[in-house]
Amino acid sequence: GAGVSQSPSNKVTEKGKDVELRCDPISGHTALYWYRQSLGQGLEFLIYFQGNSAPDKSGLPSDRFSAERTGGSVSTLTIQRTQQEDSAVYLCASSLKAGDNNEQFFGPGTRLTVL
Amino acid sequence: GDSVTQMEGPVTLSEEAFLTINCTYTATGYPSLFWYVQYPGEGLQLLLKATKADDKGSNKGFEATYRKETTSFHLEKGSVQVSDSAVYFCALSDTGRRALTFGSGTRLQVQP
Repeated sequence: GAGVSQSPSNKVTEKGKDVELRCDPISGHTALYWYRQSLGQGLEFLIYFQGNSAPDKSGLPSDRFSAERTGGSVSTLTIQRTQQEDSAVYLCASSLKAGDNNEQFFGPGTRLTVL
Repeated sequence: GDSVTQMEGPVTLSEEAFLTINCTYTATGYPSLFWYVQYPGEGLQLLLKATKADDKGSNKGFEATYRKETTSFHLEKGSVQVSDSAVYFCALSDTGRRALTFGSGTRLQVQP
């Protein structure tokens, strides 16, 4: 079956612009995670969704970052007023349900470059 | 808070050499431990996992044992191949926190 897909694969934007990154999880997976992979910070957790529960936003670095998940499936990560330090690869992952033993399946990522 | 520390790379080995990548962790609860691999140009893939102390995870000739007494989860392989060249990430998922906490990654380069 299809894996986690993300779009766009690459995004170049100018400082101050808003961007939206999309994630399509594996069908039937109720948990969805966003991470960021950057040279200086490694792999960082941003936010996760589990079913209809309130999302865990504890990893979001600033209020310029937000995410939503519509209909328990597709998720959009929005970064407002982008800054150069937002340049990174943004990874989405999904799992059957949130839990220690549930393997997270990762998408290919969106490479964001802020000029 | 939780953290994962793994040996810095890059690690360069000849084919058929023995591999060890060290990983230690700090966690407040009873974490599950994972090794993820990222091959060139590809996404992160789960390599192996262990969910409780003394468990051994294994896959594709790689092994790692969950050592609670030393808070370690070292990755080993007896004979590496060129196709094992990749970046390896140690990670944990702690009780009550569903997201993964990753180490900084170790790049492995295997030469023929």
